[in-house]
Amino acid sequence: AQSVAQPEDQVNVAEGNPLTVKCTYSVSGNPYLFWYVQYPNRGLQFLLKYITGDNLVKGSYGFEAEFNKSQTSFHLKKPSALVSDSALYFCAVRPPLISSGSARQLTFGSGTQLTVLP
Amino acid sequence: DVKVTQSSRYLVKRTGEKVFLECVQDMDHENMFWYRQDPGLGLRLIYFSYDVKMKEKGDIPEGYSVSREKKERFSLILESASTNQTSMYLCASSSVWSGYTFGSGTRLTVV
Repeated sequence: AQSVAQPEDQVNVAEGNPLTVKCTYSVSGNPYLFWYVQYPNRGLQFLLKYITGDNLVKGSYGFEAEFNKSQTSFHLKKPSALVSDSALYFCAVRPPLISSGSARQLTFGSGTQLTVLP
Repeated sequence: DVKVTQSSRYLVKRTGEKVFLECVQDMDHENMFWYRQDPGLGLRLIYFSYDVKMKEKGDIPEGYSVSREKKERFSLILESASTNQTSMYLCASSSVWSGYTFGSGTRLTVV
């Protein structure tokens, strides 16, 4: 079974500093990996995904994530944080396309609350 | 702009009422999902569907049912609402190739 771990419930960073939100995963085969962001009282918004190819994936709002197969990690990063980046961030994984049935589901991490301090 | 639409942003219902939460997607996605989100518990899958008239239980189906009569619409039903079903409910859809697209969520309060 697949799983995702976000080891930090809360990350605080000063505006203008780089930020990292950590994610590790466990899945059979080559994973599909995703990051989503959730603002208060809203649904989740897609940020970026890794399917194949370059290990550094660029997404929305200046975010990027680095896929590291040997460490089974997919950390979210941004070079310079903004106060408006403060939100709840979810990492998610699904197995490769050849999987069928219930394995098509995304498995979500528990979320990391990012607070960017002015 | 493609999207998933949940019919209500906020709902207040009484204990014992039958509650319908509606979700419509315009992306011709095969898969649709209902989650509930509670503080400290993350996203928990209630039910999902891979095709019209098809449904499968997720992790926490008790007290809920679903209906998918048309490809674009996936309804979550609380047969007899209880206070422990007060939560944020999120609908999502996906295709074979994609991640999920989420609706804006429905915050349900059962009093």
